Amino acid sequence: EPEVTQTPSHQVTQMGQEVILRCVPISNHLYFYWYRQILGQKVEFLVSFYNNEISEKSEIFDDQFSVERPDGSNFTLKIRSTKLEDSAMYFCASSYHRDRGHSNQPQHFGDGTRLSIL
Amino acid sequence: AQTVTQSQPEMSVQEAETVTLSCTYDTSESDYYLFWYKQPPSRQMILVIRQEAYKQQNATENRFSVNFQKAAKSFSLKISDSQLGDAAMYFCAYRSANFGNEKLTFGTGTRLTIIP
Repeated sequence: EPEVTQTPSHQVTQMGQEVILRCVPISNHLYFYWYRQILGQKVEFLVSFYNNEISEKSEIFDDQFSVERPDGSNFTLKIRSTKLEDSAMYFCASSYHRDRGHSNQPQHFGDGTRLSIL
Repeated sequence: AQTVTQSQPEMSVQEAETVTLSCTYDTSESDYYLFWYKQPPSRQMILVIRQEAYKQQNATENRFSVNFQKAAKSFSLKISDSQLGDAAMYFCAYRSANFGNEKLTFGTGTRLTIIP
């Protein structure tokens, strides 16, 4: 079964540094998402991406965050100047197979990237 | 805004027994989708089961079934014949059916322990 893949599995970065988290969504999926989960807390929506632009973003997704689909395969989340509170597990997800229309298709999640800010 | 509430932070069940995890939600929308996701210690988010709000019939997937009560805005998950591999964090999630509003709103999760 196709999977969403995320790299790296663990990223350690100094506060103030830029970090890029990478995701390869399932082929032929049209919608892409980033979520984060601070340790011990619930999963929170960050941003959704469709047709090469952001379709929705949460209050968490401020100017420090950006997303990109640079080559039609990868989907990246960039944090420009990391803060201690950015330490969390970041999940990428994708959904909606092009050939299946807008039925109830679930989001498929990657294994996550654990981001640790020192 | 929609909210999802899971009032049981932790649950435990004897292996082979049945357990029910609770979830309630709040929304003003009439059409939406509900999901249960499982997160084992490996951290991966795995879809367990899904329910369309317009369907009255409760969804089932093998040992997993839901009790969807739309008027009460309740969406509980029943796990029958519990197995050791069911041990995980379980998250209830809501998604609007409106095109362009695809985000999942999660509850705080229930940690399920299986007692051998």
